[in-house]
Amino acid sequence: GENVEQHPSTLSVQEGDSAVIKCTYSDSASNYFPWYKQELGKRPQLIIDIRSNVGEKKDQRIAVTLNKTAKHFSLHITETQPEDSAVYFCAAGRSGGKSTFGDGTTLTVKP
Amino acid sequence: NAGVTQTPKFRVLKTGQSMTLLCAQDMNHEYMYWYRQDPGMGLRLIHYSVGEGTTAKGEVPDGYNVSRLKKQNFLLGLESAAPSQTSVYFCASSPTGAGYTEAFFGQGTRLTVV
Repeated sequence: GENVEQHPSTLSVQEGDSAVIKCTYSDSASNYFPWYKQELGKRPQLIIDIRSNVGEKKDQRIAVTLNKTAKHFSLHITETQPEDSAVYFCAAGRSGGKSTFGDGTTLTVKP
Repeated sequence: NAGVTQTPKFRVLKTGQSMTLLCAQDMNHEYMYWYRQDPGMGLRLIHYSVGEGTTAKGEVPDGYNVSRLKKQNFLLGLESAAPSQTSVYFCASSPTGAGYTEAFFGQGTRLTVV
């Protein structure tokens, strides 16, 4: 089955700095890569996703890049704000299948 | 729309007791999932369903059973609770499969087994 590794497990940045979280996957058939944000005590919610026919996608301060050859994808958050503090999960999946989640990254943005 | 709703939100069980967690979605989604979330271990899939009347095992199915008698409901049962089942449980649904589209999560159920 699919195996997703996520790094780092914890990340602390100063407000205004950028944050980068990286994930690798094992199944070359995976073609959907979502990122979920989970605030403390809340449910995970999708913040951005990318499909395998696209190399990069951007939405305001967040962006995701995908390298199919190397089987890794990354989340980039620019101009971080305290409200970006949360746990971020990457996932990988394919049509007709299920998503496999990474173990999560706890991001702390210090004011 | 309520989205995905889980009942109950909190529960404490004694070892050996049984319980059922209810998940209800009002988005007419075909796929539904049960995950457990433990510190540092992300979201692990317990069981899932690809449509009414269907169920399938995920990564960590042992000790759990599920049923999907109605499209909008997905029940997770613990027949004989163990302390290792202390966790936060999340239900999720998606229209065409979480391997291809966004999964919508419920608010979670915090279960403690003593």
